Amino acid sequence: ETGVTQTPRHLVMGMTNKKSLKCEQHLGHNAMYWYKQSAKKPLELMFVYNFKEQTENNSVPSRFSPECPNSSHLFLHLHTLQPEDSALYLCASSQGALQGEAFFGQGTRLTVV
Amino acid sequence: GQQLNQSPQSMFIQEGEDVSMNCTSSSIFNTWLWYKQDPGEGPVLLIALYKAGELTSNGRLTAQFGITRKDSFLNISASIPSDVGIYFCAGQLREYGNKLVFGAGTILRVKS
Repeated sequence: ETGVTQTPRHLVMGMTNKKSLKCEQHLGHNAMYWYKQSAKKPLELMFVYNFKEQTENNSVPSRFSPECPNSSHLFLHLHTLQPEDSALYLCASSQGALQGEAFFGQGTRLTVV
Repeated sequence: GQQLNQSPQSMFIQEGEDVSMNCTSSSIFNTWLWYKQDPGEGPVLLIALYKAGELTSNGRLTAQFGITRKDSFLNISASIPSDVGIYFCAGQLREYGNKLVFGAGTILRVKS
């Protein structure tokens, strides 16, 4: 139990599908993040939310749409993805935005076919 | 860009051996973090470093924040099979709004 829970753990979707990834943190943190992890590449920060407000969008294509209804929940809505979007998508949280230790969920392994 | 150079890329060592890996950059960091990632899991924080020169241990793991603030190393003593995984360094760049920048990782394999 990491305190940050992601669902689903695995997802296979077609390029015309719409799906959503969910993240929930039980740590009382104020900031939440989405990262993309591709093989043999460093983790890439996608989005940052601080107190439900988006404070960072790292030039992510619009086919990825985040949503943060409250400080404990974060979603990543996916539509018309490309095969190169296949990766491990990691959610993380921290006490303050871009400060100190980030705690990660187990990730969603996404495959786009 | 704000790049961290992590080395080595991979290691295949004998159980019981000590392990050393490091991260370097041309930029100055406020914080260094070391994470371990097991297959199919998210990264788990091992050690956090906040001051230049700081040396911190967590069991068999020891990490140091370089004096120049541009590097950090992680040592694992007397490796065991469960040490297998990918180790990532991460740093918060003062000039980059304190965003976490990650190294590419060191893959550790241990022979029993």
